[in-house]
Amino acid sequence: DTAVSQTPKYLVTQMGNDKSIKCEQNLGHDTMYWYKQDSKKFLKIMFSYNNKELIINETVPNRFSPKSPDKAHLNLHINSLELGDSAVYFCASSREYSAGGYEQYFGPGTRLTVT
Amino acid sequence: QKEVEQDPGPLSVPEGAIVSLNCTYSNSAFQYFMWYRQYSRKGPELLMYTYSSGNKEDGRFTAQVDKSSKYISLFIRDSQPSDSATYLCAIWRAGNMLTFGGGTRLMVKP
Repeated sequence: DTAVSQTPKYLVTQMGNDKSIKCEQNLGHDTMYWYKQDSKKFLKIMFSYNNKELIINETVPNRFSPKSPDKAHLNLHINSLELGDSAVYFCASSREYSAGGYEQYFGPGTRLTVT
Repeated sequence: QKEVEQDPGPLSVPEGAIVSLNCTYSNSAFQYFMWYRQYSRKGPELLMYTYSSGNKEDGRFTAQVDKSSKYISLFIRDSQPSDSATYLCAIWRAGNMLTFGGGTRLMVKP
């Protein structure tokens, strides 16, 4: 039974399009995260939600908008896609971030290619 | 200067070798030190974590933290081809985000 799942696994789209990535966790965790991993494998935090409340919002273009309908789901919507958005996007979850944020469980990733 | 620095490798070793992976960090406020392992086209998975200075052993893996020199190490004994992956060190303190190093790609050849 998958702990953190993401859909879709692969996403190929053209510049200017809008796309969404969905994430679900069944671990009962309070905190969820979105990361971007570039071609050099550098993993960078984008957003974090704790019990549906945004707690981390790194310097990400406002074309990226996270939404957390409940604490088990965190979706990422991207408007007006650009070539530089091509990367692998990982969702992760952990116990409440202030105490357990060091132990994160990652999804399988969504490989986004913008042409 | 990045908060966590890690040699990207790749590091290629023969099966059975002892592997040493290292990171340095800049902020002495960090409390937890982690090693995540990422297989190709998979998400990272937590391998080990330590709190404060010292060693922690788990099977063939030993994590070592030296807070005085801000140095984190992971040793793998009797390395196996199945250990071939990218190893990411990470640092964390309460109420803050997890900060990753750039990862070291390890290849263990049979």
